Amino acid sequence: GAGVSQSPSNKVTEKGKDVELRCDPISGHTALYWYRQSLGQGLEFLIYFQGNSAPDKSGLPSDRFSAERTGGSVSTLTIQRTQQEDSAVYLCASSFRDRGTEAFFGQGTRLTVV
Amino acid sequence: AQSVTQPDIHITVSEGASLELRCNYSYGATPYLFWYVQSPGQGLQLLLKYFSGDTLVQGIKGFEAEFKRSQSSFNLRKPSVHWSDAAEYFCAVARSGNKLVFGAGTILRVKS
Repeated sequence: GAGVSQSPSNKVTEKGKDVELRCDPISGHTALYWYRQSLGQGLEFLIYFQGNSAPDKSGLPSDRFSAERTGGSVSTLTIQRTQQEDSAVYLCASSFRDRGTEAFFGQGTRLTVV
Repeated sequence: AQSVTQPDIHITVSEGASLELRCNYSYGATPYLFWYVQSPGQGLQLLLKYFSGDTLVQGIKGFEAEFKRSQSSFNLRKPSVHWSDAAEYFCAVARSGNKLVFGAGTILRVKS
């Protein structure tokens, strides 16, 4: 597609359940980011994939959070044993490495943990 | 570590008035600099970017930003604000190949 695609757009889950959020980046983009945006808060960096390099996981808030990127394209963010404080909008972005890291964002997945 | 400061959490301006949103960064070398806008319920859209060269950059929707190395600033400006500019604005910095770091954002309210 022409832009970054995220699915689902909305997800409501029960506390303690696991969830998977998907991101389809722009074709050919080597870098992929996940951010979290809680109500009234800024963008919290979660994880960064760049080509075949080891991902930068320094922003993951706990070991309940993990992400993978298969074949250098699609990425899945997994949250295990969800908690109410995980409720937020999860944003994915992708970029070309050699173009100054200008990132293009998806519309986000709104996660609500009840 | 690189950081970005947007000192104003909220700004309210009258429609037709000028606007300046502040952004300061902390980084050892001149990074790449960006301004993004997020309208309610929407994703982030790039307004403009600075990589090198002319320190005054023009963006979409009539916005411009000026890079001032001596002040480590990259302030966003618009001469005349429209009601549709009400949104949240994020400044971001990066170095090629490295992750983007965002400021906390500034919420712009436009009063008629």
